[in-house]
Amino acid sequence: SQQGEEDPQALSIQEGENATMNCSYKTSINNLQWYRQNSGRGLVHLILIRSNEREKHSGRLRVTLDTSKKSSSLLITASRAADTASYFCATGRGANSKLTFGKGITLSVRP
Amino acid sequence: IAGITQAPTSQILAAGRRMTLRCTQDMRHNAMYWYRQDLGLGLRLIHYSNTAGTTGKGEVPDGYSVSRANTDDFPLTLASAVPSQTSVYFCASSEMAGNQPQHFGDGTRLSIL
Repeated sequence: SQQGEEDPQALSIQEGENATMNCSYKTSINNLQWYRQNSGRGLVHLILIRSNEREKHSGRLRVTLDTSKKSSSLLITASRAADTASYFCATGRGANSKLTFGKGITLSVRP
Repeated sequence: IAGITQAPTSQILAAGRRMTLRCTQDMRHNAMYWYRQDLGLGLRLIHYSNTAGTTGKGEVPDGYSVSRANTDDFPLTLASAVPSQTSVYFCASSEMAGNQPQHFGDGTRLSIL
């Protein structure tokens, strides 16, 4: 069963616009991670945010975590056509647990 | 280039046949994982290994087996393939067990007829 649920399922934007993707989860977590998957390739880790952190940045990526609402958002600023991919959130519930992945969001960035 | 190598990249297999998917990593990571990815269902964990010599069952282990004889290799075996095992299979690794970031291979696309 999926712990993380991404929203929306699909997003289409124009190059240069910002893309915001959301992830909600049901039980308490140790950390939350975002991954990108290009077509025909494996997942690539983007960023990890711990349960005691509220915001994290990495280049054009900004991740927020609201543990009271059990939700996270991934913001990609100034999107590029190369950002076209599927994005997954994954939650870790404890030190010895395994990551649980959501079903993913398909992002299309139009040139 | 360091990373995970999966083989074969794709395979068509008759139902009832035995198949082993290979996975090798050169990062000396302790933990390794096998997932299947199906449209509409996302990634589901099949089996994992926290360290060489140990394995554990994930969310969907039935019909699959794994072994971890050494740090680098983590093969996945389908003893008698069935059409419902048609999927894309990903191997991943992390430095330690637990909720650490995972590195993924590029997958094996398996079709069972």
